Amino acid sequence: RKEVEQDPGPFNVPEGATVAFNCTYSNSASQSFFWYRQDCRKEPKLLMSVYSSGNEDGRFTAQLNRASQYISLLIRDSKLSDSATYLCAVNMRNFNKFYFGSGTKLNVKP
Amino acid sequence: DVKVTQSSRYLVKRTGEKVFLECVQDMDHENMFWYRQDPGLGLRLIYFSYDVKMKEKGDIPEGYSVSREKKERFSLILESASTNQTSMYLCASSFGDRGRVFSGNTIYFGEGSWLTVV
Repeated sequence: RKEVEQDPGPFNVPEGATVAFNCTYSNSASQSFFWYRQDCRKEPKLLMSVYSSGNEDGRFTAQLNRASQYISLLIRDSKLSDSATYLCAVNMRNFNKFYFGSGTKLNVKP
Repeated sequence: DVKVTQSSRYLVKRTGEKVFLECVQDMDHENMFWYRQDPGLGLRLIYFSYDVKMKEKGDIPEGYSVSREKKERFSLILESASTNQTSMYLCASSFGDRGRVFSGNTIYFGEGSWLTVV
C-alpha cells in the first residue's frame, strides 16, 4: 500500500467553481502535512502547510482529519491560473522523510 | 528565499555512461534528498542524507549512489546509466529536527534535472 494516495483526476472545472481534493495517508505516525503545487515540467512548490485546526490562505483552505487519516484542499472561486497538479505530502518526524502523493491534476476552463 | 540549485538542467547520456547530478542548497539545511518523478508514478525517493557523510536508502536506490562531503552539497551518481533511468530528477532540502524545536519543517525543491539516456 502506498504511504500517500490521491485521486489523479483530472478535475475539469469552470472558472469560479469550488473544487476539493482529498489525500489519504497510511501511517498514523505522520506528523506534518503539506500541499504542493506543480506546474507542467516545473518543480513542486509549497502551497501551504496543513495544521490540525485547519487553515486558510485566501481562496485556499486546508484541513486535516487525523481520525480518518486524510487531508483536504479546497479551492474557491477557481482561476485559470490555478490549473496545475496538486501534490500532498506527509512527513514523519523521526525519520526525516517526506512522502508524496502522485498528484491531482486540475484544469480550470474559461 | 530558499535556494536549491541543480546545476545540470538537461542532459543526454549514453547507456553505460557514468552520470553525476549536482545539487547545492544555501539554507544550511541538514536534510537533503534525491527524488525522481515519472508520469503516473509520482515522486519516488532515491536517497536522502541527514548529515554530512551520512546517507540512507530511499524507496528506489538500485542503480544509484550518493555523496555528501559538504553540508550544502548532495550529489547523485548513476554508475552505469540505463534507459530506464530516463526521468526528471529533483533534489530537495529541509531542516532536520535534531536539537531543534520541531515546527513542521517543509521541503524545498530544486528546478529539476531532465535526464535522457539513449
